[in-house]
Amino acid sequence: QVQLQESGPGLVKPSQTLSLTCTVSGGSISSGSYYWSWIRQPAGKGLEWIGRIYTSGSTNYNPSLKSRVTISVDTSKNQFSLKLSSVTAADTAVYYCARDFLGFDSSGYYVVDNWFDPWGQGTLVTVSS
Amino acid sequence: SYELTQPLSVSVALGQTARITCGGNNIGSKNVHWYQQKPGQAPVLVIYRDSNRPSGIPERFSGSNSGNTATLTISRAQAGDEADYYCQVWDSSTDVVFGGGTKLTVL
Repeated sequence: QVQLQESGPGLVKPSQTLSLTCTVSGGSISSGSYYWSWIRQPAGKGLEWIGRIYTSGSTNYNPSLKSRVTISVDTSKNQFSLKLSSVTAADTAVYYCARDFLGFDSSGYYVVDNWFDPWGQGTLVTVSS
Repeated sequence: SYELTQPLSVSVALGQTARITCGGNNIGSKNVHWYQQKPGQAPVLVIYRDSNRPSGIPERFSGSNSGNTATLTISRAQAGDEADYYCQVWDSSTDVVFGGGTKLTVL
Protein backbone atom coordinates (compact mmCIF):
# COMPACT_ATOMS: atom_id res chain seq x y z
CA GLN A 1 0.00 0.00 0.00
CA VAL A 2 1.49 3.29 -1.11
CA GLN A 3 2.21 5.84 1.59
CA LEU A 4 3.48 9.41 1.26
CA GLN A 5 5.41 11.50 3.77
CA GLU A 6 6.22 15.20 3.50
CA SER A 7 9.41 16.65 4.96
CA GLY A 8 11.11 20.02 5.10
CA PRO A 9 11.55 23.17 7.18
CA GLY A 10 8.56 24.26 9.20
CA LEU A 11 9.60 27.91 9.20
CA VAL A 12 10.57 30.01 6.21
CA LYS A 13 11.40 33.71 6.14
CA PRO A 14 9.45 36.08 3.88
CA SER A 15 10.89 36.48 0.37
CA GLN A 16 12.78 33.19 0.67
CA THR A 17 12.06 29.87 -1.02
CA LEU A 18 9.96 27.15 0.56
CA SER A 19 11.31 23.67 -0.15
CA LEU A 20 9.53 20.41 0.64
CA THR A 21 10.09 16.78 -0.28
CA CYS A 22 7.58 13.95 -0.49
CA THR A 23 8.88 10.43 -0.01
CA VAL A 24 6.83 7.61 -1.50
CA SER A 25 6.97 4.21 0.18
CA GLY A 26 5.24 0.91 -0.45
CA GLY A 27 5.68 1.16 -4.20
CA SER A 28 7.79 2.70 -6.91
CA ILE A 29 7.07 6.28 -7.88
CA SER A 30 7.67 5.18 -11.47
CA SER A 31 5.21 2.30 -11.54
CA GLY A 32 1.85 2.69 -13.19
CA SER A 33 0.57 5.77 -14.92
CA TYR A 34 0.45 7.89 -11.80
CA TYR A 35 1.14 11.54 -11.36
CA TRP A 36 2.18 13.17 -8.12
CA SER A 37 0.76 16.42 -6.74
CA TRP A 38 1.18 19.07 -4.08
CA ILE A 39 -1.86 20.59 -2.38
CA ARG A 40 -2.00 23.14 0.44
CA GLN A 41 -4.49 24.27 3.04
CA PRO A 42 -4.22 27.48 5.10
CA ALA A 43 -5.47 27.11 8.65
CA GLY A 44 -9.25 27.01 8.76
CA LYS A 45 -9.57 27.27 4.99
CA GLY A 46 -10.09 25.04 1.99
CA LEU A 47 -7.80 23.06 -0.28
CA GLU A 48 -5.70 24.59 -3.04
CA TRP A 49 -3.95 22.50 -5.67
CA ILE A 50 -0.39 23.66 -6.37
CA GLY A 51 0.80 21.41 -9.17
CA ARG A 52 1.73 17.93 -10.34
CA ILE A 53 4.55 15.99 -11.93
CA TYR A 54 4.91 12.77 -13.89
CA THR A 55 8.00 10.63 -13.56
CA SER A 56 9.04 11.76 -17.03
CA GLY A 57 9.41 15.23 -15.54
CA SER A 58 6.31 16.64 -17.20
CA THR A 59 4.57 19.19 -14.97
CA ASN A 60 1.31 21.11 -14.62
CA TYR A 61 0.91 24.07 -12.28
CA ASN A 62 -1.93 26.08 -10.81
CA PRO A 63 -1.96 29.25 -12.95
CA SER A 64 -2.24 31.41 -9.83
CA LEU A 65 1.07 30.04 -8.49
CA LYS A 66 2.85 29.08 -11.69
CA SER A 67 5.37 31.92 -11.67
CA ARG A 68 6.69 30.87 -8.25
CA VAL A 69 6.42 27.05 -8.31
CA THR A 70 8.83 24.34 -9.38
CA ILE A 71 8.08 20.65 -8.89
CA SER A 72 10.76 18.07 -9.56
CA VAL A 73 11.15 14.30 -9.21
CA ASP A 74 14.00 12.02 -8.18
CA THR A 75 13.02 8.50 -9.15
CA SER A 76 16.21 7.03 -7.67
CA LYS A 77 15.10 8.21 -4.25
CA ASN A 78 11.37 7.63 -4.84
CA GLN A 79 10.79 11.30 -4.06
CA PHE A 80 9.30 14.39 -5.58
CA SER A 81 9.82 17.94 -4.39
CA LEU A 82 8.21 21.36 -4.25
CA LYS A 83 9.90 24.75 -4.39
CA LEU A 84 7.85 27.91 -3.89
CA SER A 85 9.78 31.14 -4.26
CA SER A 86 9.26 34.65 -2.88
CA VAL A 87 7.01 33.45 -0.10
CA THR A 88 4.82 35.72 2.01
CA ALA A 89 2.61 35.16 5.04
CA ALA A 90 -0.16 34.16 2.63
CA ASP A 91 1.82 31.01 1.83
CA THR A 92 1.54 29.80 5.44
CA ALA A 93 -0.36 26.52 5.24
CA VAL A 94 -0.32 22.79 5.72
CA TYR A 95 1.26 21.32 2.60
CA TYR A 96 0.16 17.88 1.42
CA CYS A 97 1.57 15.60 -1.22
CA ALA A 98 -0.71 13.09 -2.92
CA ARG A 99 -0.84 10.53 -5.68
CA ASP A 100 -2.76 12.01 -8.58
CA PHE A 101 -4.88 9.75 -10.79
CA LEU A 102 -5.43 11.27 -14.23
CA GLY A 103 -8.15 10.10 -16.61
CA PHE A 104 -7.67 10.59 -20.34
CA ASP A 105 -10.07 10.71 -23.27
CA SER A 106 -10.28 7.99 -25.89
CA SER A 107 -7.28 9.41 -27.74
CA GLY A 108 -5.23 8.91 -24.61
CA TYR A 109 -3.86 12.40 -24.96
CA TYR A 110 -6.25 14.84 -23.34
CA VAL A 111 -6.90 14.87 -19.61
CA VAL A 112 -10.57 14.73 -18.70
CA ASP A 113 -10.49 13.78 -15.04
CA ASN A 114 -8.32 13.51 -11.93
CA TRP A 115 -8.50 12.64 -8.26
CA PHE A 116 -6.10 12.24 -5.32
CA ASP A 117 -5.44 9.08 -3.35
CA PRO A 118 -3.69 8.62 -1.00
CA TRP A 119 -2.48 11.80 0.69
CA GLY A 120 0.47 12.34 2.94
CA GLN A 121 -0.16 13.41 6.53
CA GLY A 122 0.76 17.01 5.73
CA THR A 123 3.38 19.38 7.05
CA LEU A 124 2.83 22.86 8.42
CA VAL A 125 4.96 25.58 6.90
CA THR A 126 4.90 28.99 8.53
CA VAL A 127 6.24 32.05 6.76
CA SER A 128 7.51 34.50 9.32
CA SER A 129 10.60 36.52 10.12
CA SER B 1 -12.96 29.73 -14.24
CA TYR B 2 -15.06 26.84 -13.00
CA GLU B 3 -16.45 27.06 -9.46
CA LEU B 4 -17.94 24.52 -7.05
CA THR B 5 -20.39 25.60 -4.36
CA GLN B 6 -20.93 23.67 -1.14
CA PRO B 7 -23.01 24.56 1.92
CA LEU B 8 -20.84 25.67 4.81
CA SER B 9 -22.48 23.24 7.19
CA VAL B 10 -24.87 20.30 7.31
CA SER B 11 -26.33 18.72 10.42
CA VAL B 12 -27.75 15.23 10.76
CA ALA B 13 -29.21 13.26 13.63
CA LEU B 14 -27.34 10.17 14.70
CA GLY B 15 -28.45 7.23 12.58
CA GLN B 16 -30.15 9.38 9.95
CA THR B 17 -29.11 10.21 6.40
CA ALA B 18 -26.90 13.19 5.57
CA ARG B 19 -26.77 14.73 2.14
CA ILE B 20 -24.00 17.13 1.16
CA THR B 21 -24.36 18.95 -2.14
CA CYS B 22 -21.81 20.31 -4.57
CA GLY B 23 -23.09 22.74 -7.17
CA GLY B 24 -21.48 23.67 -10.45
CA ASN B 25 -22.45 24.64 -13.98
CA ASN B 26 -23.42 21.40 -15.74
CA ILE B 27 -21.46 19.43 -13.14
CA GLY B 28 -23.32 16.33 -14.32
CA SER B 29 -21.01 16.29 -17.34
CA LYS B 30 -17.96 16.00 -15.10
CA ASN B 31 -16.64 13.32 -12.76
CA VAL B 32 -16.96 14.39 -9.14
CA HIS B 33 -14.78 13.16 -6.31
CA TRP B 34 -15.35 13.53 -2.56
CA TYR B 35 -12.87 13.75 0.33
CA GLN B 36 -13.41 13.46 4.06
CA GLN B 37 -11.13 15.44 6.36
CA LYS B 38 -11.27 14.95 10.10
CA PRO B 39 -9.71 17.58 12.40
CA GLY B 40 -5.94 17.53 12.27
CA GLN B 41 -5.84 14.84 9.60
CA ALA B 42 -5.21 14.67 5.89
CA PRO B 43 -8.13 14.34 3.47
CA VAL B 44 -9.24 10.83 2.57
CA LEU B 45 -10.93 9.92 -0.71
CA VAL B 46 -14.40 8.52 0.01
CA ILE B 47 -16.03 8.67 -3.44
CA TYR B 48 -14.43 8.89 -6.88
CA ARG B 49 -16.01 9.30 -10.30
CA ASP B 50 -19.39 10.29 -8.89
CA SER B 51 -20.35 7.08 -7.14
CA ASN B 52 -17.41 4.71 -6.71
CA ARG B 53 -16.13 3.79 -3.26
CA PRO B 54 -12.43 3.12 -2.72
CA SER B 55 -11.49 -0.01 -0.86
CA GLY B 56 -12.15 0.35 2.86
CA ILE B 57 -14.85 3.00 2.58
CA PRO B 58 -18.15 1.84 4.14
CA GLU B 59 -21.16 1.21 1.92
CA ARG B 60 -22.94 3.91 3.92
CA PHE B 61 -21.13 6.42 1.71
CA SER B 62 -22.61 6.92 -1.75
CA GLY B 63 -22.62 9.58 -4.43
CA SER B 64 -24.69 10.82 -7.33
CA ASN B 65 -24.29 13.50 -9.95
CA SER B 66 -26.76 15.05 -12.35
CA GLY B 67 -27.52 18.40 -13.88
CA ASN B 68 -25.96 21.16 -11.80
CA THR B 69 -25.65 19.26 -8.53
CA ALA B 70 -23.58 16.38 -7.20
CA THR B 71 -24.53 14.82 -3.88
CA LEU B 72 -22.63 12.85 -1.27
CA THR B 73 -25.00 10.74 0.82
CA ILE B 74 -24.05 9.28 4.18
CA SER B 75 -26.55 6.75 5.47
CA ARG B 76 -26.95 5.79 9.12
CA ALA B 77 -24.70 8.65 10.16
CA GLN B 78 -22.28 7.94 12.98
CA ALA B 79 -20.39 10.24 15.33
CA GLY B 80 -17.22 9.22 13.55
CA ASP B 81 -18.55 10.73 10.30
CA GLU B 82 -18.20 14.24 11.72
CA ALA B 83 -15.70 15.93 9.42
CA ASP B 84 -15.24 18.43 6.64
CA TYR B 85 -16.19 17.13 3.22
CA TYR B 86 -14.78 18.51 -0.04
CA CYS B 87 -15.93 17.87 -3.59
CA GLN B 88 -13.46 18.11 -6.47
CA VAL B 89 -13.54 18.05 -10.25
CA TRP B 90 -11.13 18.50 -13.11
CA ASP B 91 -11.86 21.37 -15.48
CA SER B 92 -10.25 22.09 -18.82
CA SER B 93 -9.74 25.77 -18.00
CA THR B 94 -8.48 25.56 -14.43
CA ASP B 95 -7.31 21.94 -13.96
CA VAL B 96 -8.10 20.94 -10.36
CA VAL B 97 -11.10 22.58 -8.68
CA PHE B 98 -12.10 22.03 -5.07
CA GLY B 99 -15.35 23.05 -3.45
CA GLY B 100 -15.11 25.23 -0.37
CA GLY B 101 -15.92 22.36 1.97
CA THR B 102 -18.88 21.41 4.16
CA LYS B 103 -18.69 20.78 7.89
CA LEU B 104 -20.85 17.81 8.84
CA THR B 105 -22.17 17.75 12.39
CA VAL B 106 -23.80 14.60 13.79
CA LEU B 107 -26.28 15.51 16.50
